[in-house]
Amino acid sequence: GNSVTQMEGPVTLSEEAFLTINCTYTATGYPSLFWYVQYPGEGLQLLLKATKADDKGSNKGFEATYRKETTSFHLEKGSVQVSDSAVYFCALMSGNQFYFGTGTSLTVIP
Amino acid sequence: DGGITQSPKYLFRKEGQNVTLSCEQNLNHDAMYWYRQDPGQGLRLIYYSQIVNDFQKGDIAEGYSVSREKKESFPLTVTSAQKNPTAFYLCASRVSGGNEQFFGPGTRLTVL
Repeated sequence: GNSVTQMEGPVTLSEEAFLTINCTYTATGYPSLFWYVQYPGEGLQLLLKATKADDKGSNKGFEATYRKETTSFHLEKGSVQVSDSAVYFCALMSGNQFYFGTGTSLTVIP
Repeated sequence: DGGITQSPKYLFRKEGQNVTLSCEQNLNHDAMYWYRQDPGQGLRLIYYSQIVNDFQKGDIAEGYSVSREKKESFPLTVTSAQKNPTAFYLCASRVSGGNEQFFGPGTRLTVL
C-alpha cells in the first residue's frame, strides 16, 4: 500500500539554524511527492513538489529532492526564520488519492 | 479571487444531531476531497469525488455522507453514526489530470 512516514516533532530551532525534516514513503509505481505547510487554524498550503526521481522541489528557501533509491523526500532549509514556525506535512499522490504523513511541528525562536 | 471556501469556520452541535459542512470552489476543478485532521494523526481521507454525481469512500467514510450535485460544491454531512465527530475538517480540490491539491481554510466541529 501507500504510506508516508515523517519524523516526529516537535522541533524547536533558533533563528538562522539549519532545518531538516525527514520523510520516507512506501508506494506502488512512481508517485508525486509534496511538502505542505499549515499555519495555526488554517488549511494546508503547498510548499513544494517533485514529480519524478532526482527532481528537486524548491520554494521560499526550502528544498527537497526526490530520492527513489532511498524512497525519501527530506525537507531542508539553510537558515530558518521565526515566520517559518508551522506544521509541515509530507505527502504523496498515487492515482487519484493523496497520502499524508502525521506532520512535524516546527517552532523557531528568536 | 479563485479559491475554496468552507463555512462556517467553527461549528458546535449536540451529540446525536446531523450536521452539514459546506465546501465551495470557483477554480473549475473536477476533483474534490474531504479530510479529517486530528492531533498527531495527520490528514485522513473521508470521501472524494472525481466528477459530478460520482464519489468514492476514503479510509474513514463510516458515519459520513456526501453529495456532488454541482461541480462547485461538495458538502459533507456528519451523521449521528459517527462515533467521535469532534475534529478539524478540510476540503480540497484538484484540476483533473493535475497533481496539486488546493485546500480550504477548514471547519472546526465540536460536538458537545
